Amino acid sequence: QSALTQPASVSGSPGQSITISCTGTSSDVGSYNLVSWYQQHPGKAPKLMIYEGSKRPSGVSNRFSGSKSGNTASLTISGLQAEDEADYHCCSYAGSSTYVFGTGTKVTVL
Amino acid sequence: EVQLVESGGGLVQPGGSLRLSCAASGFTFSNYWMSWVRQAPGKGLEWVANIKQDGGEKYSVDSVRGRFTISRDNAKNSLYLQMNSLRAEDTAVYYCARFYCSGGGCYHGFDYWGQGTLVTVSS
Repeated sequence: QSALTQPASVSGSPGQSITISCTGTSSDVGSYNLVSWYQQHPGKAPKLMIYEGSKRPSGVSNRFSGSKSGNTASLTISGLQAEDEADYHCCSYAGSSTYVFGTGTKVTVL
Repeated sequence: EVQLVESGGGLVQPGGSLRLSCAASGFTFSNYWMSWVRQAPGKGLEWVANIKQDGGEKYSVDSVRGRFTISRDNAKNSLYLQMNSLRAEDTAVYYCARFYCSGGGCYHGFDYWGQGTLVTVSS
């Protein structure tokens, strides 16, 4: 149950697109298309942005999209906005009703 | 409005115990799997434990198994985490979180989170 690997930081200018990677193993990300992504502003609780790989809950902007290739899941934010500056966490189902989160990525809007 | 409110955190010595509570409102608590997730200072999130709607199935991360116990009381709309044999590495903000359900189905994701309660393990 090792944490999924995310880049510590990603940055982009307003209007640009950025992609955050989330690398696991064949026991978690690679075995299931069940990765969720969370946005967390400082001092706040996480917010669900993507679930089950690429699905958006109601109310989440379509600027956020998820995908997966092999053992790596990705979150893409298009049309980057100042309010997107936050920490982002991935989470994968790991079998037997267990979950593993990523190391977290700080997104900076330049 | 869905609300999850954690309580019970505080400062405890290594080897000590604490019981966290999460009061749920604004939804039918007994219909949802629930989880505890923690976040050490300046670190990422870590899934801690899950419990099924009726409490009949419980799962936890290896690092807390045998020390932490998740439970629930559906009559009181409450989720609990009993933490024993606490270690310095258990220091974190502990969140309760609800599994995402919509349109009659439930999914792998947590859609509502409490504000968290801080547990500090230190002598």
